[in-house]
Amino acid sequence: DGGITQSPKYLFRKEGQNVTLSCEQNLNHDAMYWYRQDPGQGLRLIYYSQIVNDFQKGDIAEGYSVSREKKESFPLTVTSAQKNPTAFYLCASSNYGSQHEKLFFGSGTQLSVL
Amino acid sequence: AQTVTQSQPEMSVQEAETVTLSCTYDTSENNYYLFWYKQPPSRQMILVIRQEAYKQQNATENRFSVNFQKAAKSFSLKISDSQLGDTAMYFCAFPINTDKLIFGTGTRLQVFP
Repeated sequence: DGGITQSPKYLFRKEGQNVTLSCEQNLNHDAMYWYRQDPGQGLRLIYYSQIVNDFQKGDIAEGYSVSREKKESFPLTVTSAQKNPTAFYLCASSNYGSQHEKLFFGSGTQLSVL
Repeated sequence: AQTVTQSQPEMSVQEAETVTLSCTYDTSENNYYLFWYKQPPSRQMILVIRQEAYKQQNATENRFSVNFQKAAKSFSLKISDSQLGDTAMYFCAFPINTDKLIFGTGTRLQVFP
């Protein structure tokens, strides 16, 4: 089945540690996105990529980094500079990244700080 | 600034009844799309319905329909014949800068038997 796979489902970060969230898609989509979801808030865009080897900052990129070395993969690293990383992280993709397209979402990663 | 607002944090409805979730937005664009996404307890977001702003006709997907009022910048979601499986968070979303979606804060819908 085609879809988006996020791993791990739960992740714990220690103080000063960088952690990486995985996102893989087999939909052959060009565009991929990372969103952060906090309780009582909507989704906020962290980074997005519309083509391999290129990505743009979203609204809350500080303390995060990404790479897009392969079309199917868009990992997100939460660095030690992100002082409040506890949140639910959702990865999404769309065919071309155009505004009329639906987003396909993964099942998310819950990140907590130890 | 382009914004999207959902003013109802929580709503409830009895099974088989109809419920309407509200969404307003602000934009200076003339041609755009609007979306409703559902996030069930599994937390995986799913597209419910999409509306093209230049189309007069309101979009419909089975039991889900929208009431799109372009002049009022209102985009409400009507769920008819509510089912227990409709229990979820519902997010209104709107693209800005042609390639990024912004989401409202969501409405938590509880369907009671």
